[in-house]
Amino acid sequence: AQKVTQAQTEISVVEKEDVTLDCVYETRDTTYYLFWYKQPPSGELVFLIRRNSFDEQNEISGRYSWNFQKSTSSFNFTITASQVVDSAVYFCALIGFGSNYQLIWGAGTKLIIKP
Amino acid sequence: GAVVSQHPSWVICKSGTSVKIECRSLDFQATTMFWYRQFPKQSLMLMATSNEGSKATYEQGVEKDKFLINHASLTLSTLTVTSAHPEDSSFYICSAKQVDSNYEQYFGPGTRLTVT
Repeated sequence: AQKVTQAQTEISVVEKEDVTLDCVYETRDTTYYLFWYKQPPSGELVFLIRRNSFDEQNEISGRYSWNFQKSTSSFNFTITASQVVDSAVYFCALIGFGSNYQLIWGAGTKLIIKP
Repeated sequence: GAVVSQHPSWVICKSGTSVKIECRSLDFQATTMFWYRQFPKQSLMLMATSNEGSKATYEQGVEKDKFLINHASLTLSTLTVTSAHPEDSSFYICSAKQVDSNYEQYFGPGTRLTVT
């Protein structure tokens, strides 16, 4: 079975603080893809990153960074120097090769950045 | 980048009527499209997978006679909510998978349905 766990339901920080959103996954597939999406209040999903299971390099994109660790089955997302515009719900998701291309979604973490 | 549109973006209808939601891939061909439903403060729930030219595959617990899906072309899939009831009010999101891609899915902006 495949599963994505985002244990943090809601996180609230003050602007300019760093914040890490946790994502733990389960899959029996050796080839899989992990994703992070942002969903602002408008509802439209915004793609942030895709990582395949063979690439464990950490990724940095501006204030965003991702830490992929297969040993702990985690794919955590860090926002540095958070801004109010970062307030949204963030979803972690997984596609396994045996899953008929279906995305397995985490429950989402609501991030509130207070000015 | 690949763009997926949904129409309408929001709709209000009366109980008992049917509503059709369109999902279009604007600049690529999509052999597979997915339909999701999202309740407030919850994650996306996959309703069905539609493949061009064949019947949709519905997830367990989703009524196929209530949520009719038609994927008539490589760029268009439609979801029709038949005999809508207030409990069908939700945010509906589609995604489209590119031909020859194992993982690349592009999401539409969503349709907010309110049934009164």
